[in-house]
Amino acid sequence: DAGVIQSPRHEVTEMGQEVTLRCKPISGHDYLFWYRQTMMRGLELLIYFNNNVPIDDSGMPEDRFSAKMPNASFSTLKIQPSEPRDSAVYFCASQTAGDYGYTFGSGTRLTVV
Amino acid sequence: GEDVEQSLFLSVREGDSSVINCTYTDSSSTYLYWYKQEPGAGLQLLTYIFSNMDMKQDQRLTVLLNKKDKHLSLRIADTQTGDSAIYFCAERDPKAAGNKLTFGGGTRVLVKP
Repeated sequence: DAGVIQSPRHEVTEMGQEVTLRCKPISGHDYLFWYRQTMMRGLELLIYFNNNVPIDDSGMPEDRFSAKMPNASFSTLKIQPSEPRDSAVYFCASQTAGDYGYTFGSGTRLTVV
Repeated sequence: GEDVEQSLFLSVREGDSSVINCTYTDSSSTYLYWYKQEPGAGLQLLTYIFSNMDMKQDQRLTVLLNKKDKHLSLRIADTQTGDSAIYFCAERDPKAAGNKLTFGGGTRVLVKP
C-alpha cells in the first residue's frame, strides 16, 4: 500500500484565495482525520470522519474551513477565503477500527501571503 | 478535559539513553501512544501502551506508565543520530467515537555525535 497520500506537498497562495487540500486514505481504512500543525499551537484535530460521515468538526477554526469526504478513498479540506494565519502544515491520517494508531500522510505545507 | 504536556527539548549524546517524559490529565485514557516526526515528514507510530500495563518494551524502546501520577515516559536505549526527531505522546479520548487522539506539543530530541 502507498500509505496515506496528500496533495499538494506545498502550496503558496495569496490571501483571499481559495485553497483545497486533498487526501487519499489507505484502502480499507474507515476513519479519516485532518490535523493542523503550527509552532504556536502544535497539532490540532480539525475534523474526523467515520465511513465518510463527519463525526466531530469542533476543531474547525471557523466557517472559512470546510471538509468533505465524498467517498471512502478521497477527502478534501477547503479554506475560503484563506488568510496568513492559516499558514501551517496540514496532515491527513487514516485508521481502521481495531488499529491501535493512525497512519499519517506526509502533510501539505500551506503558506498564505 | 484532555491536556497532554511534554518538555520542549532534549539533548543527548550518541550511545547514551534518552528519556522523554509526558503527563496527561484524562485518567480514563485507555491507550497512550508515542509518535516520531522526522523533518518534513508525517508522524510515525512508534509504540503504544494499554492503560492496564505498567511497562512495554520493544527493542530499544521502553515505555513506562504511571497511572497514579498520569505520567508516561519513553526510553530510547543506545540513542543514535537517526533518533533525532520530534517525539509526541498522545492519549486516546475514551469518550469520543473512534480513535480520537490528543497530542502533546512534542519534544525535540537532538542526538550529538
